[in-house]
Amino acid sequence: NAGVTQTPKFRILKIGQSMTLQCTQDMNHNYMYWYRQDPGMGLKLIYYSVGAGITDKGEVPNGYNVSRSTTEDFPLRLELAAPSQTSVYFCASTPDSTDTQYFGPGTRLTVL
Amino acid sequence: AQSVTQPDIHITVSEGASLELRCNYSYGATPYLFWYVQSPGQGLQLLLKYFSGDTLVQGIKGFEAEFKRSQSSFNLRKPSVHWSDAAEYFCAVGAREYGNKLVFGAGTILRVKS
Repeated sequence: NAGVTQTPKFRILKIGQSMTLQCTQDMNHNYMYWYRQDPGMGLKLIYYSVGAGITDKGEVPNGYNVSRSTTEDFPLRLELAAPSQTSVYFCASTPDSTDTQYFGPGTRLTVL
Repeated sequence: AQSVTQPDIHITVSEGASLELRCNYSYGATPYLFWYVQSPGQGLQLLLKYFSGDTLVQGIKGFEAEFKRSQSSFNLRKPSVHWSDAAEYFCAVGAREYGNKLVFGAGTILRVKS
């Protein structure tokens, strides 16, 4: 199994550009999450989903959007990139609401 | 509000020495707790977790952690550190009542000197 995969690994955006960070899991997990990691801040939850068609905001959702049309995919959309969105983004999934979260390798995004 | 505190931003230990990383939490529900490790440029890997039962839990790579409800702590320990343990360690807390939305500590960077 590939587990949780994320693309791209690295990306540089200009202010105002948009992009989609892809996340796919092949473990048939219902729960999926998007986090951002900034130095010295740990991980902050952006959005999460408890199943296809169901999404909800986390702690830092402003500037982002998500969709969950299938169990496998949970893309994160940045509409108008800002320097404050420079970060490392991690996707995670879990089979149950109380179980271990499995993380992807991350996407390093720089907005200039 | 839920919060997780890892008081030590950096810790340096000698190879072969013992290690303890501290984690304190503030939570309005019965928590379950995790320790994750992150090597540079990598994602997070689970070391161990506590949901219920025995408060001393064993994890991978020789790590263990003890849940102390009275102290709201979940400290990570290892009796003898190896150079390959150098990484960043994150404590995380969740609760069924909050839909497994984990709250992470800021992390502790472990350096191992030979």
